[in-house]
Amino acid sequence: QKEVEQDPGPLSVPEGAIVSLNCTYSNSAFQYFMWYRQYSRKGPELLMYTYSSGNKEDGRFTAQVDKSSKYISLFIRDSQPSDSATYLCAMTSNSGGSNYKLTFGKGTLLTVNP
Amino acid sequence: KAGVTQTPRYLIKTRGQQVTLSCSPISGHRSVSWYQQTPGQGLQFLFEYFSETQRNKGNFPGRFSGRQFSNSRSEMNVSTLELGDSALYLCASRGAPSTDTQYFGPGTRLTVL
Repeated sequence: QKEVEQDPGPLSVPEGAIVSLNCTYSNSAFQYFMWYRQYSRKGPELLMYTYSSGNKEDGRFTAQVDKSSKYISLFIRDSQPSDSATYLCAMTSNSGGSNYKLTFGKGTLLTVNP
Repeated sequence: KAGVTQTPRYLIKTRGQQVTLSCSPISGHRSVSWYQQTPGQGLQFLFEYFSETQRNKGNFPGRFSGRQFSNSRSEMNVSTLELGDSALYLCASRGAPSTDTQYFGPGTRLTVL
């Protein structure tokens, strides 16, 4: 079993739809959770960062963490064609120090159609 | 503030050759990590450097190596290239050992023929 599982999609939605992206993980040591957005031929761009269980909102984006279920989600409201990209979840067990590394899901390809 | 820069952006090599990729972190960032991204495996951690010292290493063969210079710039080297080394190589920097968010560069697309 991989440490982080993410449905690769592809996911295609109409403009204005609410998008839900999800990851599950098996390593209970993971404490810090991130969502990155990656446009074609670009590097990943940090979208959201969360630590505790619960919700965190930033504009049209909401990140949700449920540590008891080892499940994280990213919701995009009022989706736009410019949101079309690959979304990667990432997580780490420590906030810093010598063993810091991010473990990524494989990414979900999202297309928002005008 | 300028972001993470990587050179070259694209590279074509043949099997058996070696390659060196370069990364300049965000100004003031002292930690640099390298990741390999492939369609099959996704993003996988290669190694992290801080203050010219390798602090953490992923599960890659010894053909993959790196170093960091006193100005925090980093290089990654892959020797005896194999077809399976074709990938996007991403560099990421963070501000200090204790910070927990990484910022990625655009990557170097390596194709091995």
